Amino acid sequence: DAGVTQSPTHLIKTRGQQVTLRCSPKSGHDTVSWYQQALGQGPQFIFQYYEEEERQRGNFPDRFSGHQFPNYSSELNVNALLLGDSALYLCASSLVRDRGYQPQHFGDGTRLSIL
Amino acid sequence: GDSVTQMEGPVTLSEEAFLTINCTYTATGYPSLFWYVQYPGEGLQLLLKATKADDKGSNKGFEATYRKETTSFHLEKGSVQVSDSAVYFCALKAGGFKTIFGAGTRLFVKA
Repeated sequence: DAGVTQSPTHLIKTRGQQVTLRCSPKSGHDTVSWYQQALGQGPQFIFQYYEEEERQRGNFPDRFSGHQFPNYSSELNVNALLLGDSALYLCASSLVRDRGYQPQHFGDGTRLSIL
Repeated sequence: GDSVTQMEGPVTLSEEAFLTINCTYTATGYPSLFWYVQYPGEGLQLLLKATKADDKGSNKGFEATYRKETTSFHLEKGSVQVSDSAVYFCALKAGGFKTIFGAGTRLFVKA
């Protein structure tokens, strides 16, 4: 049973560039959420996708955008990268029918470093 | 809004010592509560959960009891091992789309 998989594992970019991170949810899951975890902090919710639409968004600027594909996989795009975007980006998947009370399953994350 | 507060770290213990990591929460509804663990260089792993008041979650010797009257979900383990060294996150979901995390508590266990 494949868990949540993310790619790439590590990425180095420079300020102003754009980046795309990818996520495949756990088998059978239909909802994907993205989180940003800065060094020494807890993960912060970016947004969640279900049925290829953004359902809820956290307090992140429009430079952060996403997409969900018919196979439930998802991408996170960040434009005009800033030094402060350096973080571990975590993808989490779940089932919409659990009504939000069951835990999300997390991938190992993509470590993004901005130079 | 909903939030989670957990004790600051780092917590340093000797092997076989008793562990407590305090966690309190604020939520408008009746949240589910979780403890996640993060080992160096890895993502988050669910350690245990409790979905209603007075539930006790347990896993790998760790326990936490959902206390609605004190809005707490403290993590305990009777005898820690070096392999328990990690960062522990208390978290909640209140029927919405997102998990809300505390800031994390780093645990160091010395042999």
